[in-house]
Amino acid sequence: AQTVTQSQPEMSVQEAETVTLSCTYDTSESDYYLFWYKQPPSRQMILVIRQEAYKQQNATENRFSVNFQKAAKSFSLKISDSQLGDAAMYFCAYKDSGYALNFGKGTSLLVTP
Amino acid sequence: GAVVSQHPSRVICKSGTSVKIECRSLDFQATTMFWYRQFPKQSLMLMATSNEGSKATYEQGVEKDKFLINHASLTLSTLTVTSAHPEDSSFYICSAGSGAAYEQYFGPGTRLTVT
Repeated sequence: AQTVTQSQPEMSVQEAETVTLSCTYDTSESDYYLFWYKQPPSRQMILVIRQEAYKQQNATENRFSVNFQKAAKSFSLKISDSQLGDAAMYFCAYKDSGYALNFGKGTSLLVTP
Repeated sequence: GAVVSQHPSRVICKSGTSVKIECRSLDFQATTMFWYRQFPKQSLMLMATSNEGSKATYEQGVEKDKFLINHASLTLSTLTVTSAHPEDSSFYICSAGSGAAYEQYFGPGTRLTVT
């Protein structure tokens, strides 16, 4: 079974600074998708960014970018110019040909003024 | 964008009663819907996967007779917690997929409290 590991239960960043959240995964598949989801206090799951494994180029969405290292099975999320609204739980998730998402345990991000 | 709703957002029920949670895809047809359970400060745990018109596939350890899932149409799936007990109190989240390999849209969740 595929596993997703987030080794940082909590992270803190100052407003306007940059923070990187770590994620590693284990799979024997060659074709799969990786995601970062944000869950704010409202608990609505929000897709932050998606990466297709067959793409070598790292995905970017405005202030959010990933560092996808396929050989190392690493998928980190970088948040630039952090804002107070970025404070939330962040979940790394994996999906292959099966339809279900496999989530990591999450990282709680605190943004300080 | 694709919108998924859940109803109710919060429900309190007495131990021994049953409660139904609805998950609707509002602007697309959901061929597959998923039900997750989330305890406080924990990750989402997949409970079951349902495809329209067929029986749900439950994850190991999830009681099929306790958590009844119905996916009778392409826009509606329901989760019924039967004979609820306080340990069933949790946050339940549904998500829906329309067919593309990676697309999955989440509902806002339902907080169930069993007294």
